[in-house]
Amino acid sequence: GAVVSQHPSRVICKSGTSVKIECRSLDFQATTMFWYRQFPKQSLMLMATSNEGSKATYEQGVEKDKFLINHASLTLSTLTVTSAHPEDSSFYICSASPRTSGTDTQYFGPGTRLTVL
Amino acid sequence: GDSVTQMEGPVTLSEEAFLTINCTYTATGYPSLFWYVQYPGEGLQLLLKATKADDKGSNKGFEATYRKETTSFHLEKGSVQVSDSAVYFCALRVYGGATNKLIFGTGTLLAVQP
Repeated sequence: GAVVSQHPSRVICKSGTSVKIECRSLDFQATTMFWYRQFPKQSLMLMATSNEGSKATYEQGVEKDKFLINHASLTLSTLTVTSAHPEDSSFYICSASPRTSGTDTQYFGPGTRLTVL
Repeated sequence: GDSVTQMEGPVTLSEEAFLTINCTYTATGYPSLFWYVQYPGEGLQLLLKATKADDKGSNKGFEATYRKETTSFHLEKGSVQVSDSAVYFCALRVYGGATNKLIFGTGTLLAVQP
């Protein structure tokens, strides 16, 4: 089946630094990728939707200058948390929709645990 | 707004026990309903779905019926196995509005003991 990977699986950084998380579709081309955030005991919240070659669409309340999303190719999207602070500590999950199926189908990555000290 | 509510876990069962995980939803349009499963260390996987009222989704022995009158999509399995231990997420997608995104519940951890 379709596989989506994320790197790193967990990262610890100091407050004020930036962290980049990669999301890759390993065996299919993804025109659309999604980034979610999950707090403990809460549901996954969609942060943004990115389409290859265009700017990401952010959900209401998500700071686009803080969470930079780049979708430069059909197999890679990156999320950069800029000037991270402890409140940014969370579980970040990406998903990808194959070019052949549209956004009705999403394959999820295993997630990245970010801890900001 | 659109939302999904599912029972809090963890749910701990013995092997071969009957499983029910409750899920109810609120939606302004005509949602499709989904159950996703996340095994340890892996990404969410689609378990089953139903796209209209009275549809029953089924997969791997799991079933859920789209009940419009009670706005519910409860997940059931007649006999669970240790390998079913995972986190289960109920989700909906509303079509035709300004957004086409998935809205998730909080997830329910299922632990099956031998």
